[in-house]
Amino acid sequence: EAQVTQNPRYLITVTGKKLTVTCSQNMNHEYMSWYRQDPGLGLRQIYYSMNVEVTDKGDVPEGYKVSRKEKRNFPLILESPSPNQTSLYFCASSLQAGRQETQYFGPGTRLLVL
Amino acid sequence: KNEVEQSPQNLTAQEGEFITINCSYSVGISALHWLQQHPGGGIVSLFMLSSGKKKHGRLIATINIQEKHSSLHITASHPRDSAVYICAVRAGGTSYGKLTFGQGTILTVHP
Repeated sequence: EAQVTQNPRYLITVTGKKLTVTCSQNMNHEYMSWYRQDPGLGLRQIYYSMNVEVTDKGDVPEGYKVSRKEKRNFPLILESPSPNQTSLYFCASSLQAGRQETQYFGPGTRLLVL
Repeated sequence: KNEVEQSPQNLTAQEGEFITINCSYSVGISALHWLQQHPGGGIVSLFMLSSGKKKHGRLIATINIQEKHSSLHITASHPRDSAVYICAVRAGGTSYGKLTFGQGTILTVHP
């Protein structure tokens, strides 16, 4: 089944403890992206990747890192999480970032930083 | 002022009504997405368009590039259409990987 998977789905952690949220797609998509969703602020893009080894900042990249070493995986790394990174995170992918491409979203990861 | 503005923010309708959700944007774009998010949280892409009009079942999306405006229409609305509808624009030029979202429109359809 074609899908985008995220792990973990739920995570409670403490300030400063490094964590990684994984994202994987099985559709051979070139484009992958991370978003966070917060009440009153909606969805905001954190980082995106046009292809392997190519990443770019979105609107809210501070406090996050990403890597794209292989096409199927695009992990989101929080080196030193803080309470303001408590949010609902979505990963998404599409064949390319071009004009006609539909984005496929993962199920979301709910993160609470204490 | 946000780059992407949706209206209305909340919309309540009776089953069977025709619904319109609007999206205006202030920047140059390469394409526009309409997304649906149900109460469980999952996000589904409904349409991606760069010109004209697209139709899928009871849903119709239109875009006017000159006026920087898009509309999502739902004909013969049904309670299962109750969801948050989100407009997102893809930047133009060399930043076309960048996506900016509207605040979303919460739609409730009563039987």
